[in-house]
Amino acid sequence: GAVVSQHPSRVICKSGTSVKIECRSLDFQATTMFWYRQFPKQSLMLMATSNEGSKATYEQGVEKDKFLINHASLTLSTLTVTSAHPEDSSFYICSAENRGSNQPQHFGDGTRLSIL
Amino acid sequence: GQQLNQSPQSMFIQEGEDVSMNCTSSSIFNTWLWYKQDPGEGPVLLIALYKAGELTSNGRLTAQFGITRKDSFLNISASIPSDVGIYFCAGPLISGGSNYKLTFGKGTLLTVNP
Repeated sequence: GAVVSQHPSRVICKSGTSVKIECRSLDFQATTMFWYRQFPKQSLMLMATSNEGSKATYEQGVEKDKFLINHASLTLSTLTVTSAHPEDSSFYICSAENRGSNQPQHFGDGTRLSIL
Repeated sequence: GQQLNQSPQSMFIQEGEDVSMNCTSSSIFNTWLWYKQDPGEGPVLLIALYKAGELTSNGRLTAQFGITRKDSFLNISASIPSDVGIYFCAGPLISGGSNYKLTFGKGTLLTVNP
């Protein structure tokens, strides 16, 4: 079945550091990928839609300069949390849609980001 | 925007018992999805429903797409300890085609006592 790989699985870094998270579709081409944020004991909140070859679409309230998204190829999207602060600590999850199929989004295993 | 109301919020059951959870919406959905999330991992798709009235099974799991298209339920029969996790319903904010965004219910935390 479709596999989405997310890396790294866990990051711990100092305040002010920028952190890059990668999301790869391993066995299909994904023209669209999605980035979610999940706080403890809460549901997934869509942050942005990443479109291959064009600018990402951000949800209301999500700062595009804070959360930089690049979707340079059909199998890779990256989310960079710039100048991260403790309030950015969260679980970030990506998903990918397999174009040409009617299959729902497949999710990566998430990245636990902890900012000290 | 469209919101999914999922209940119950949590369940504590004994191994072997059956479980039922549901989602409702004030808006019509053309697709209902059920995911399970284990701690520290991403959601895994359990069942996808595409047609009003559709009843679909996946092993011990059964889900139905409500006839009004505003609700769906998920049943788990003969629960086992590995059923523990958070179950989410989800549906597309923009129905049909590709590039749709999902909205999620708040989840049902299932605990199974051996």
